[in-house]
Amino acid sequence: TQLLEQSPQFLSIQEGENLTVYCNSSSVFSSLQWYRQEPGEGPVLLVTVVTGGEVKKLKRLTFQFGDARKDSSLHITAAQPGDTGLYLCAGAPGVGNQFYFGTGTSLTVIP
Amino acid sequence: NAGVTQTPKFQVLKTGQSMTLQCAQDMNHEYMSWYRQDPGMGLRLIHYSVGAGITDQGEVPNGYNVSRSTTEDFPLRLLSAAPSQTSVYFCASKRRQIGNQPQHFGDGTRLSIL
Repeated sequence: TQLLEQSPQFLSIQEGENLTVYCNSSSVFSSLQWYRQEPGEGPVLLVTVVTGGEVKKLKRLTFQFGDARKDSSLHITAAQPGDTGLYLCAGAPGVGNQFYFGTGTSLTVIP
Repeated sequence: NAGVTQTPKFQVLKTGQSMTLQCAQDMNHEYMSWYRQDPGMGLRLIHYSVGAGITDQGEVPNGYNVSRSTTEDFPLRLLSAAPSQTSVYFCASKRRQIGNQPQHFGDGTRLSIL
């Protein structure tokens, strides 16, 4: 069992559809980050959420941090083929030094 | 802008062989880490370092050694390769251990153990 569980694991949608990806844990996080990874490359940071209940928007992407700081979601509006990739949530629970990544959601947007 | 550089990009080893995966960063970052990425499991932390001369274990450290003699370099050593270590390995760095700075990743080393 991993500290951060993401769902769904795979998602294939048509261009223009909306989708939501979830990141859940039983632990409290001081902050959570979302990364996107494209094939053959390392992950790249999209956003960091810090405050419980916080909502951040990045163009068509909306990120929310749960009130209890145990979960987060990523919503994409009107998905485009350029959104295709692996989405990963990540964070450090409590005051520890270890930084954990979620299990990942592989998104394919079909033109 | 080099960022984080990993070498080699691909490697095939036989069971029992040893090798070192190289990682270098040119951003003067204190914190460096090694992850392995396997299908359906995201990235799992192997070892990390909060500064030169300081290293610690992550989630899956068995079979791997690290050292941090300089700020720039953080090599990962496989002592006796096993098929279970077939994976994609990523090195990352960030400015400091504490805080919400982004981690900067290399492009990975794809390792196959036969």
